[in-house]
Amino acid sequence: GAGVSQSPRYKVAKRGQDVALRCDPISGHVSLFWYQQALGQGPEFLTYFQNEAQLDKSGLPSDRFFAERPEGSVSTLKIQRTQQEDSAVYLCASSLRSGRNTGELFFGEGSRLTVL
Amino acid sequence: QKEVEQNSGPLSVPEGAIASLNCTYSDRVSQSFFWYRQYSGKSPELIMSIYSNGDKEDGRFTAQLNKASQYVSLLIRDSQPSDSATYLCAVGNAGNMLTFGGGTRLMVKP
Repeated sequence: GAGVSQSPRYKVAKRGQDVALRCDPISGHVSLFWYQQALGQGPEFLTYFQNEAQLDKSGLPSDRFFAERPEGSVSTLKIQRTQQEDSAVYLCASSLRSGRNTGELFFGEGSRLTVL
Repeated sequence: QKEVEQNSGPLSVPEGAIASLNCTYSDRVSQSFFWYRQYSGKSPELIMSIYSNGDKEDGRFTAQLNKASQYVSLLIRDSQPSDSATYLCAVGNAGNMLTFGGGTRLMVKP
């Protein structure tokens, strides 16, 4: 596709339920990022992949959060035993490059998660 | 203290005026600097990148970087109502991680 595609766009989960959020980056993009954005705040870094390698997962808030990109393309962010504080928009972004130009990111439309 | 600081606003300017958005960062070894625009309910989109001290101009937008003062700014000339959005400052380190500020909401009034 022409842009970064995320699904589902909206997800309502009951507390304790597991969720999986999918990101399909722009074809050929090496770098893939997951960010969490709470209402009225800037995106907070969660994790970074270069191809299939997860090079940085320092932003994942707890061991309930897990991300993978097994073939270096599509990525999945999984949240186990969701809590109300997990409610946010989860943004996926990709970049053609690695290194300092990695910050030239293309974002998907986000997946809005609401935990009841 | 957050690593990337922005005034949350709102910053209100009349149509046709210059809007000045500011950002400070704490990590002295930061190497790359970006401005993203985010319309309400939409995802961020890149509008400017700057890597060295000085000014960089692109159309109505000028990014300014001062590494000694750890300060980066964005000027929008001839502001239009369509420029009304939240502007996110982002700073990159050598490890590829991009850290965003909280954003400044800009309102351009006709």
